[in-house]
Amino acid sequence: AQSVSQHNHHVILSEAASLELGCNYSYGGTVNLFWYVQYPGQHLQLLLKYFSGDPLVKGIKGFEAEFIKSKFSFNLRKPSVQWSDTAEYFCAVKEGGSYIPTFGRGTSLIVHP
Amino acid sequence: KAGVTQTPRYLIKTRGQQVTLSCSPISGHRSVSWYQQTPGQGLQFLFEYFSETQRNKGNFPGRFSGRQFSNSRSEMNVSTLELGDSALYLCASSLGGPYNEQFFGPGTRLTVL
Repeated sequence: AQSVSQHNHHVILSEAASLELGCNYSYGGTVNLFWYVQYPGQHLQLLLKYFSGDPLVKGIKGFEAEFIKSKFSFNLRKPSVQWSDTAEYFCAVKEGGSYIPTFGRGTSLIVHP
Repeated sequence: KAGVTQTPRYLIKTRGQQVTLSCSPISGHRSVSWYQQTPGQGLQFLFEYFSETQRNKGNFPGRFSGRQFSNSRSEMNVSTLELGDSALYLCASSLGGPYNEQFFGPGTRLTVL
C-alpha cells in the first residue's frame, strides 16, 4: 500500500527564516502530489499541487515544492516565513488515475515573531 | 459559492452510543469523502461516495458506515462508539474525477467519554 512520510513532526522557526518540509512516498508509478495547510481553527486548504510538467511547482502565499522522481520526494519550501505561516502542513500523494490521496501525518510549524 | 458544510461542529458521546455526522458538499460536486484526523496520525481515509454509491473504502471496521443522498449530501454513522473514536472527522467534496481537487469542510469534533 502507498505510504507517505513527513519526517519533521514539529518545526519551530523565527520570522524570516527559510523553511523546508520533507515529504517522501513509496509508490513507484505515476503520482499526483499535494501540499495542504490547516491554519489554527480553519479548514484544510490546498497550497499547491503537481500533476505533470515542470517539477518545480509554485503555490499560494509564496510556497513552492519540487518533485524529485528519483528520490520519491516532494519537499515544500518557502524562502522567508512569516508569523502567519504558523499552521499544520500535510503532504498527500495520489496514484495516477485514482480518486483518493494518501496523507502524511502532518508537520506542525510554529513561527515566532 | 458556498463551501463544504458539516454538522454538527462538536459532539460529545459516551462509549457504546452511536452517532451520525452530516456533510453538505459544494453545489455541483458529486463526490464526498470522509477522513478521520487525530494528532500524530494525520488524515486517515474512511470512504468515498460518488453518485450515491460507495466508490472507495479505507481500512476501518464495519462500525463506520456512510451513505450519500441524491442531492449529494452525505452522512457518516459510527455505531458502538469507543474511546479511540474521538477525533476530528473531515468531509471533502470534489467534482469526482481523478484530477479534481478536494475541498474540505471545517470538520466535526467528536469526543467519546
